[in-house]
Amino acid sequence: GAGVSQSPSNKVTEKGKDVELRCDPISGHTALYWYRQSLGQGLEFLIYFQGNSAPDKSGLPSDRFSAERTGGSVSTLTIQRTQQEDSAVYLCASSSWTGQTEAFFGQGTRLTVV
Amino acid sequence: GEDVEQSLFLSVREGDSSVINCTYTDSSSTYLYWYKQEPGAGLQLLTYIFSNMDMKQDQRLTVLLNKKDKHLSLRIADTQTGDSAIYFCAEREGSTLGRLYFGRGTQLTVWP
Repeated sequence: GAGVSQSPSNKVTEKGKDVELRCDPISGHTALYWYRQSLGQGLEFLIYFQGNSAPDKSGLPSDRFSAERTGGSVSTLTIQRTQQEDSAVYLCASSSWTGQTEAFFGQGTRLTVV
Repeated sequence: GEDVEQSLFLSVREGDSSVINCTYTDSSSTYLYWYKQEPGAGLQLLTYIFSNMDMKQDQRLTVLLNKKDKHLSLRIADTQTGDSAIYFCAEREGSTLGRLYFGRGTQLTVWP
């Protein structure tokens, strides 16, 4: 696609429910990143994919968080048993493998846990 | 992890220059970036500089890099009200496609 696409754009969920956030990177981009932006905070790194593998998942805050990427394209971030502190904007970005320096960001998914 | 520090707020008058400062800790950084985030929007890359450069100019934007002091700045000339946004400094760790480390962002407010 023309840009990084994330869905849904907004999600309100009840505490304890599971949610899935989706990211469609730019076609051909092999690197994919998930970040979290809480109110008034910077961007917190969650996980990085190169192809379908995740060489760096050190930022996942707990075992309630998981992510996968299939076919070297779409990625899903899953949060199980959501808590109120999970409320944030979840941003996805992608980069190409050819040494291109820029990471292109999607518009984000605003998650609100009530 | 790496630390990227920025001041949180900056206010300027329309037409003045804005200077947003950033410090980082990773001496192996290869690229340093400035991103802009407008309300309700994702991050937009403004400019970046390779670590072997001291300065980069792009229209109204000037990036200065002092690698010895690990200090990066973004100067916006003739600041406009449309420049009001949050500006994030970021560094990429040594590997080309490694993670980006972001600062907390500087909220730039431009007064007419």
